[in-house]
Amino acid sequence: QQPVQSPQAVILREGEDAVINCSSSKALYSVHWYRQKHGEAPVFLMILLKGGEQKGHEKISASFNEKKQQSSLYLTASQLSYSGTYFCGTEANSGNTPLVFGKGTRLSVIA
Amino acid sequence: DAGVIQSPRHEVTEMGQEVTLRCKPISGHDYLFWYRQTMMRGLELLIYFNNNVPIDDSGMPEDRFSAKMPNASFSTLKIQPSEPRDSAVYFCASSLSLGSGTQYFGPGTRLLVL
Repeated sequence: QQPVQSPQAVILREGEDAVINCSSSKALYSVHWYRQKHGEAPVFLMILLKGGEQKGHEKISASFNEKKQQSSLYLTASQLSYSGTYFCGTEANSGNTPLVFGKGTRLSVIA
Repeated sequence: DAGVIQSPRHEVTEMGQEVTLRCKPISGHDYLFWYRQTMMRGLELLIYFNNNVPIDDSGMPEDRFSAKMPNASFSTLKIQPSEPRDSAVYFCASSLSLGSGTQYFGPGTRLLVL
C-alpha cells in the first residue's frame, strides 16, 4: 500500500527548516528517500533500515521509527538547490520486496 | 558508467498507435523496474525483472501494456493500442538488489497520446 506523505507542498525562504513525513499502514523493513527536480529523474538521497536509525546527508537528515511505521526527512538551513519533489519509498517488513513510493512532497525554496 | 539510458525522451503519438519505450540498465544490475509517473497517482511500479525474468507485472494497467527483457542490457515497454490516458512520464530504473538496493533512474520518456 502506498505510504502517505505530508505535507503535500511547502514553500520556504532560504535558510528556513522543513520536515517531510512519510507514514505507512504496514510494518516496514526500510525507507528510501529520493529527490526529483523538475523535468528530471528521481535521485537517491538515503536509505534507512529497520532499527530506528537516523542518517545525515549534508544538511539533510532522516529518521525512521519502525514502531510507528514512520519516517521523517529533515532539511535544515534550506538552499535554493533543495527545491524539488521529495519521495519516500517503503519496503515491506518481509524484506526483499519492491519499493512503494508515496505521492511526493513538493518543496519550493525562495530567496 | 553512463547510467540508465532511455529512449526516446519524448514521444507524441495519436490514439490507437503502438508505442515502444526502450531502456538500457546499468551494467551489472540484476533488477530492472518500469514506472509510470502522473500527477494524480505519483510513481507507480508497472513491472520489474530479475536477471531478465519478469517477476511481478501486477502493476501493468491492462493487456495493452507489455514488457520484455531479451537480455541483460535491454528492455522494452510497449503500449498497443495507445490511449490518451496513457499520457505520462515513464521511467526505467535499475538496481543491484531488490528492496534495500538503491534504484538508479533513467531520464524518463515523456509520452503524450493525442
